[in-house]
Amino acid sequence: DVKVTQSSRYLVKRTGEKVFLECVQDMDHENMFWYRQDPGLGLRLIYFSYDVKMKEKGDIPEGYSVSREKKERFSLILESASTNQTSMYLCASSLQALSYEQYFGPGTRLTVT
Amino acid sequence: KQEVTQIPAALSVPEGENLVLNCSFTDSAIYNLQWFRQDPGKGLTSLLLIQSSQREQTSGRLNASLDKSSGRSTLYIAASQPGDSATYLCAVELDSSYKLIFGSGTRLLVRP
Repeated sequence: DVKVTQSSRYLVKRTGEKVFLECVQDMDHENMFWYRQDPGLGLRLIYFSYDVKMKEKGDIPEGYSVSREKKERFSLILESASTNQTSMYLCASSLQALSYEQYFGPGTRLTVT
Repeated sequence: KQEVTQIPAALSVPEGENLVLNCSFTDSAIYNLQWFRQDPGKGLTSLLLIQSSQREQTSGRLNASLDKSSGRSTLYIAASQPGDSATYLCAVELDSSYKLIFGSGTRLLVRP
């Protein structure tokens, strides 16, 4: 079974802090994704990576950056957290590009106060 | 711009009923369509993936169909159980990118 894990289930941070969310997958998947999920807005793609050190912006990359130094690990970085980044963050991975299932982690509920 | 719509937004049925969840999309140029389940406060669990060349996929009590030309997919759940209560999301993968476009989900409650 594919396993995607996220470093924290719940996180509370203060405005202006630098925040790191980590995601690890154990199935040698090429692609990894970061989404945020908000009531009424659904899931929106922040960034994705199709290979080590490769990344592409999704629909809402502003205020975020990512890092993929190793194939199994994909980090989402909030450079200076703001209250409008309070959300559920979901990481996903898929074997290769196109037509492969995306497998999701359990999510991190981030609150920025 | 691809838009994905799910109707109804919420559904409540008695245990044992067969039910259908609907998903429609505006652009038929998709690579695949995926159905997910999400329990409250949790991540998404992949249920079924239908490739654009396929008409349907089955897994246990679940059957998903795809009609690309009309921009529609249905998820059929047979003999529903209280444990099926969750939000069901459909998502399409565009043939021009890696991106999944999600619908807003159908929240299902199966009453004992």
